[in-house]
Amino acid sequence: KQEVTQIPAALSVPEGENLVLNCSFTDSAIYNLQWFRQDPGKGLTSLLLIQSSQREQTSGRLNASLDKSSGRSTLYIAASQPGDSATYLCAVARNAGGTSYGKLTFGQGTILTVHP
Amino acid sequence: ETGVTQTPRHLVMGMTNKKSLKCEQHLGHNAMYWYKQSAKKPLELMFVYNFKEQTENNSVPSRFSPECPNSSHLFLHLHTLQPEDSALYLCASSQVRSGELFFGEGSRLTVL
Repeated sequence: KQEVTQIPAALSVPEGENLVLNCSFTDSAIYNLQWFRQDPGKGLTSLLLIQSSQREQTSGRLNASLDKSSGRSTLYIAASQPGDSATYLCAVARNAGGTSYGKLTFGQGTILTVHP
Repeated sequence: ETGVTQTPRHLVMGMTNKKSLKCEQHLGHNAMYWYKQSAKKPLELMFVYNFKEQTENNSVPSRFSPECPNSSHLFLHLHTLQPEDSALYLCASSQVRSGELFFGEGSRLTVL
């Protein structure tokens, strides 16, 4: 059974810092890995999707890497801003014969607070 | 208009009530999902529909009954719920095989 762990559980940083969020998973037979952002009481916003054959994806100040063999992914946020404050969720999709069918296993999330 | 729309956003019901959650996606996707987010627990997959056919029931109690009349609409019918069913219920959609999910804002359910 796939298990996803995110470290740290919470992180508080001053504005402008570069930071790294970590995600690890136990079963390397994944189809892809997706990073989401969730604001309090809201739904999930997709940030980055990394296919199992890829090593990294970038979008603006965000960069996500994937090391499938070691079961790890990191989300790097450059020059953090107060608006980045949210819960960040990592989710892996199981590889089911070359597809995923959207069956994601989520981590508990990292609660990020960026203070001015 | 957002890609995935859920109604109602908030719902309070007694244990003997019957209510339904609705989800509509405007992204042209052919797969839809229900996920549950309880306090202090990771999101859990409940149901998967591909091309209107249910392909996954993740051991969900029968008091939750999904319905997918077409590829754009998904319902979750609720009856005789328990207080521990109080949670945020999230709908998502994707293209089958792409694996990239897009979520709605969720329906916050409180069972008294």
